[in-house]
Amino acid sequence: NAGVTQTPKFQVLKTGQSMTLQCAQDMNHNSMYWYRQDPGMGLRLIYYSASEGTTDKGEVPNGYNVSRLNKREFSLRLESAAPSQTSVYFCASSEALDRLSAFFGQGTRLTVV
Amino acid sequence: QQQVKQSPQSLIVQKGGISIINCAYENTAFDYFPWYQQFPGKGPALLIAIRPDVSEKKEGRFTISFNKSAKQFSLHIMDSQPGDSATYFCAAMGSTDKLIFGTGTRLQVFP
Repeated sequence: NAGVTQTPKFQVLKTGQSMTLQCAQDMNHNSMYWYRQDPGMGLRLIYYSASEGTTDKGEVPNGYNVSRLNKREFSLRLESAAPSQTSVYFCASSEALDRLSAFFGQGTRLTVV
Repeated sequence: QQQVKQSPQSLIVQKGGISIINCAYENTAFDYFPWYQQFPGKGPALLIAIRPDVSEKKEGRFTISFNKSAKQFSLHIMDSQPGDSATYFCAAMGSTDKLIFGTGTRLQVFP
């Protein structure tokens, strides 16, 4: 029972490079989320997906794109990384119907130099 | 603007004492209020949650108090233990299923 799996766990990028953060859940949840966590800022919602095929912006979407590939997978793409995107990124999923709270992955620590 | 305001930013409590963390919200459409606990290097994990139709929920040493009219809710940790040392986040969710977090409270419990 893996829950929510994120890859990679660590990444260093140069300014301007692109990359995709992968997330998969095996709990058959409808809703999936991407957050970033910065010191003193808590967890801020980047994008979320209420169901397969739908995505919506969160609090801080600029500089990011997402794809809800299927019910299991929700990826986050940085097209042109900037130092301001240095952060810890968390993926989460939840079952909206039961209003169960979100289950989180272990996080991806991204550094942009 | 911060939709969920959390205080204090950090908290130091002696073992056996009571830890209290407060949160306030503005959006009356929020109808689900979970608390998360996060240890260093780990993702947040659900601790306890409450809906606005009750004023209090208790699970072991953890209690949520909810004041709907004031749009405030708080987490009380009774008999705080060193193992409770972690960062705690309050959160709120409405019908859109967006889960919005507070800024976090770093709790340190000293023996």
